[in-house]
Amino acid sequence: GAGVSQTPSNKVTEKGKYVELRCDPISGHTALYWYRQSLGQGPEFLIYFQGTGAADDSGLPNDRFFAVRPEGSVSTLKIQRTERGDSAVYLCASSLQRIGYTFGSGTRLTVV
Amino acid sequence: SQQGEEDPQALSIQEGENATMNCSYKTSINNLQWYRQNSGRGLVHLILIRSNEREKHSGRLRVTLDTSKKSSSLLITASRAADTASYFCATENSGNTPLVFGKGTRLSVIA
Repeated sequence: GAGVSQTPSNKVTEKGKYVELRCDPISGHTALYWYRQSLGQGPEFLIYFQGTGAADDSGLPNDRFFAVRPEGSVSTLKIQRTERGDSAVYLCASSLQRIGYTFGSGTRLTVV
Repeated sequence: SQQGEEDPQALSIQEGENATMNCSYKTSINNLQWYRQNSGRGLVHLILIRSNEREKHSGRLRVTLDTSKKSSSLLITASRAADTASYFCATENSGNTPLVFGKGTRLSVIA
C-alpha cells in the first residue's frame, strides 16, 4: 500500500485479556519495527524484523509480548495477560535499506 | 532505553520567528534523524544527517551535527502555526541497530 497501515486504531481491553495489534508495511519494505510510546515520552523500541525473522527483540519488556511476521510482510504484535501498564500507543514502521522509517498512525491501547 | 535528549522540552514562539531545538546523544552513530509527530500518533521523517556531514538543509529546515560534542540542532525558519508538533531526534548507532529516539521537544507556534 501507499503507507504503513495499523489496525485497530484504538483498542480498549480489560486487564488480563489477550490482544493482537496488526501492522501492514509498505510493499517491498523488508525491515519492520515495533515501538511503544507512552504519554510525553519518545518511542521506545520493542522488536525489529528483517524479512520473516526477528533480527532484534531486545526491547520486548517481558515474555507476555510476542511478535510474528510469518510471510515477511504483515506483522502482528501479541500481548498476553494485559496489564494497565501496557497502555500506550504502539507504533509500527517499515523501511527500505534502513534509510528513514515510515511510521503508521499507531494503535492506542487502553487496558482498563 | 532512550539515547537522545532534546532541549528544550517545550518551546513556544510567535509565527514568523525561528525555532531551534537541540539533541544530545551518548554513543557513536551512523546517522541522526529528525521526526515530527502531530497529536501523539504517527511520526513523519523530516531529515537525515550522516556522521560525516556537518550541516544539511531541506526547505525551511536546517540541521547541524557536531560529533565531537555528540549533539545536533534542528532549526525551523519563519515558523508557521502548522509547524506546531512534537519533534524527536533519533540515532542509528554503529552496527545494525534500530533507531533510538529521544523524549522530544513540544513546539507551539502561535499565530
